[in-house]
Amino acid sequence: EAGVAQSPRYKIIEKRQSVAFWCNPISGHATLYWYQQILGQGPKLLIQFQNNGVVDDSQLPKDRFSAERLKGVDSTLKIQPAKLEDSAVYLCASSAYYEQYFGPGTRLTVT
Amino acid sequence: AQKITQTQPGMFVQEKEAVTLDCTYDTSDPSYGLFWYKQPSSGEMIFLIYQGSYDQQNATEGRYSLNFQKARKSANLVISASQLGDSAMYFCAMRTQGGSEKLVFGKGTKLTVNP
Repeated sequence: EAGVAQSPRYKIIEKRQSVAFWCNPISGHATLYWYQQILGQGPKLLIQFQNNGVVDDSQLPKDRFSAERLKGVDSTLKIQPAKLEDSAVYLCASSAYYEQYFGPGTRLTVT
Repeated sequence: AQKITQTQPGMFVQEKEAVTLDCTYDTSDPSYGLFWYKQPSSGEMIFLIYQGSYDQQNATEGRYSLNFQKARKSANLVISASQLGDSAMYFCAMRTQGGSEKLVFGKGTKLTVNP
């Protein structure tokens, strides 16, 4: 069974630029999560999708972050414009039941 | 609000010895789940073990066991017979039944296994 796929693995951008991350969950998993993990901290949920509907986006900075999950499968997370404090690892996870399976993450550096 | 506290920023253990990583939690929900994840330097989060709040017995998965003390709101991870490959960050997380069922993570403990 293929795991959660994410791309790119690494991205370096300058502040005020835009960036997009892609996630392909495990086949059949209805729930998809995007987490932000700042260095030295645990992951923090940004947004949760159930199929292609948003369940929780209470911690998503909506003035600069957006996410979509078209057709209830793949998802993209976008930051526009990026700030220095957005430097972090962005983790995508999917679940069918209680266990969440994580992708390898995208390490974003904003300079 | 749900909260996970991991008070050990770093732990050291000798190879083949056992180690306990501490985790305390706070929630008012009667139904919840507790998880431990391992994060090697490569960055992926690896699921280790799960304990449901209504489970009568402590969870075990190979060399991992979860010491669940509900009254004390603690869910410590015990790794027996440590191996060099166990060196990593370890995160305790909680999921509640209500709302979005998101995972709330602690700050993690960095475990170093010495030869």
